[in-house]
Amino acid sequence: AAGVIQSPRHLIKEKRETATLKCYPIPRHDTVYWYQQGPGQDPQFLISFYEKMQSDKGSIPDRFSAQQFSDYHSELNMSSLELGDSALYFCASSLVRRRTGENTEAFFGQGTRLTVV
Amino acid sequence: AQSVTQLGSHVSVSEGALVLLRCNYSSSVPPYLFWYVQYPNQGLQLLLKYTSAATLVKGINGFEAEFKKSETSFHLTKPSAHMSDAAEYFCAVYSSASKIIFGSGTRLSIRP
Repeated sequence: AAGVIQSPRHLIKEKRETATLKCYPIPRHDTVYWYQQGPGQDPQFLISFYEKMQSDKGSIPDRFSAQQFSDYHSELNMSSLELGDSALYFCASSLVRRRTGENTEAFFGQGTRLTVV
Repeated sequence: AQSVTQLGSHVSVSEGALVLLRCNYSSSVPPYLFWYVQYPNQGLQLLLKYTSAATLVKGINGFEAEFKKSETSFHLTKPSAHMSDAAEYFCAVYSSASKIIFGSGTRLSIRP
């Protein structure tokens, strides 16, 4: 079965550079979530999209932006990178049940490990 | 707002022993609860989910969890631990239709 695909798997950037992380949700899933997981930390919610519109926002820095495209893939853009941005970034996807409006469980990608040097 | 609290950041059990990882939730509405497992340098894999259909939920790899409304708990158990169960386990809840909130995680170690 198709899973959530994230690219790249690993990324090394220098301070003040920009990075773009991509997420391809499970086919027919309409909701995408982004999480940041620092070393030894639990995943922290950044932002989510439903049907290409931002649906919720968490502790996402102003230097970061994200969007969901017409094919439902999503990109997380990170500018002016700081050392503290080094983390594992996860994307997840789920499907809203039309009849009840409830989400199915979220499936996570393998993550992108970003290292800022 | 809905949230989950995991008791114990590290649990160590002997191989073959019972595994019990604790999770309590806070919710004013019936919650959607999950347990995820994360192996080193890997993504989050769904172990099981509670969606109000049944209070005892069976998941993958022999794990199960029981939803107890009176105790606001959703503890994860496995009758007999295996070395391959060593990982980080996260309890999670849908805070809204568009956000999943994770607990702080419990690292499970298995002693030979």
